[in-house]
Amino acid sequence: GENVEQHPSTLSVQEGDSAVIKCTYSDSASNYFPWYKQELGKRPQLIIDIRSNVGEKKDQRIAVTLNKTAKHFSLHITETQPEDSAVYFCAATLGGDKIIFGKGTRLHILP
Amino acid sequence: EPEVTQTPSHQVTQMGQEVILRCVPISNHLYFYWYRQILGQKVEFLVSFYNNEISEKSEIFDDQFSVERPDGSNFTLKIRSTKLEDSAMYFCASQDIANTGELFFGEGSRLTVL
Repeated sequence: GENVEQHPSTLSVQEGDSAVIKCTYSDSASNYFPWYKQELGKRPQLIIDIRSNVGEKKDQRIAVTLNKTAKHFSLHITETQPEDSAVYFCAATLGGDKIIFGKGTRLHILP
Repeated sequence: EPEVTQTPSHQVTQMGQEVILRCVPISNHLYFYWYRQILGQKVEFLVSFYNNEISEKSEIFDDQFSVERPDGSNFTLKIRSTKLEDSAMYFCASQDIANTGELFFGEGSRLTVL
């Protein structure tokens, strides 16, 4: 069925190292792939998105890559900082007017 | 900066009671959504709404749920007879271009069913 799979569920990295979160999707017609960051008790906030006509997008320390053939996309955070600690959700448009979220990755930045 | 607003921020209700959660989307947006997040879990799609009708809904969105845009600004989610498992944070979101635009989330309404 329609689904977005996200791995890992938790990720701990040393401050300054890189973090990578991966997602796969099922609908080959999906054309929009946002990433959201959610801090404890807050709403999800968009940090970066990518559309199906490009393979990579970068915004300062954050980058997203998309492989349409394999139907997977990844979030890369470089030079991680304590404020990067949060839950990150990937999402994809699926089957029409809906954006489906992955299960989330809890990122811990270790001092 | 325009934002999506939701009321109430927290509602406590007895099982079996009706609940209405309210949202005011960003004024020039055309697509509206409700999502649910049970504590510590994923953000789950409930329903999308465009041109005064439901465009998509999930399996969660059963006959106990309904949405309405009663005027030009409000977008409401009604749960007719709440169950314990309806306890969650409910997020409203709006979008200006379907499937290719950012979802702007409200701060959420926390529903607690006792």
